[in-house]
Amino acid sequence: GQNIDQPTEMTATEGAIVQINCTYQTSGFNGLFWYQQHAGEAPTFLSYNVLDGLEEKGRFSSFLSRSKGYSYLLLKELQMKDSASYLCAVLDSNYQLIWGAGTKLIIKP
Amino acid sequence: SAVISQKPSRDICQRGTSLTIQCQVDSQVTMMFWYRQQPGQSLTLIATANQGSEATYESGFVIDKFPISRPNLTFSTLTVSNMSPEDSSIYLCSVEAGVSLNQPQHFGDGTRLSIL
Repeated sequence: GQNIDQPTEMTATEGAIVQINCTYQTSGFNGLFWYQQHAGEAPTFLSYNVLDGLEEKGRFSSFLSRSKGYSYLLLKELQMKDSASYLCAVLDSNYQLIWGAGTKLIIKP
Repeated sequence: SAVISQKPSRDICQRGTSLTIQCQVDSQVTMMFWYRQQPGQSLTLIATANQGSEATYESGFVIDKFPISRPNLTFSTLTVSNMSPEDSSIYLCSVEAGVSLNQPQHFGDGTRLSIL
C-alpha cells in the first residue's frame, strides 16, 4: 500500500529552527509537495521537489532524497504565525496525490 | 494562482437532509477535486470532476451519496446527501495550478459542515 509518515506534533521556540520530516512509500514518484494549513483554513502550497537536493525559498527550505524516500521541511527564524499544520503529499506514478496526516507545529514564545 | 470561491463557508444541517456546496474558479481548469478533512486529520479525496464526463470517485465514496456536477470549466458542485453526524467535516475543492501533471493544487476556503 501507499504510505506517508510525518510526526503528529512538534513544538519549537520563536526565533529557532525546526525540521519536519516526511517519509514515503508510494507506487512511483512524480514529486513531493509541502503545504501549510492554519487552523480553520485551507491548505496553501509551500514547495515542490522532484529532484534530490535542497530547495530554498526565504525562511522555508525543502529537501528531498528519492533513494531514501525522505523529505524534510526546514523552517528558520520561526515566527508565531508559523504555528500551523504542515502537510506532506506525494504524486505517485498515476499522478495521484497521496497525503500525509500532517504535522501540527506549535511555536512558543 | 487561481482564485477559488467556495460556498457556503459553513452550515449546520439536520440529519437526513442534503446540502450542495459550490466551487467557482476564476479561470478555466480541466480537473477539479473534492476533498473531505475530518478534524485533526489529513485530506481524503472524494472524487475528481472533469468537465463533460462523470466524476471519478475514490474507494469508499459513491455517487448516490456525493453527487457531483461539472457543467463547465470554471464551476463544480458537490452534494452531501442524506446527511448523518458522520458527515460532519470540512469539505474542500481544489484545482491544479497549471496544465502539466505535476502542478500544485490550490484550494478553496472550505465548507465547515456540522450535522445535528
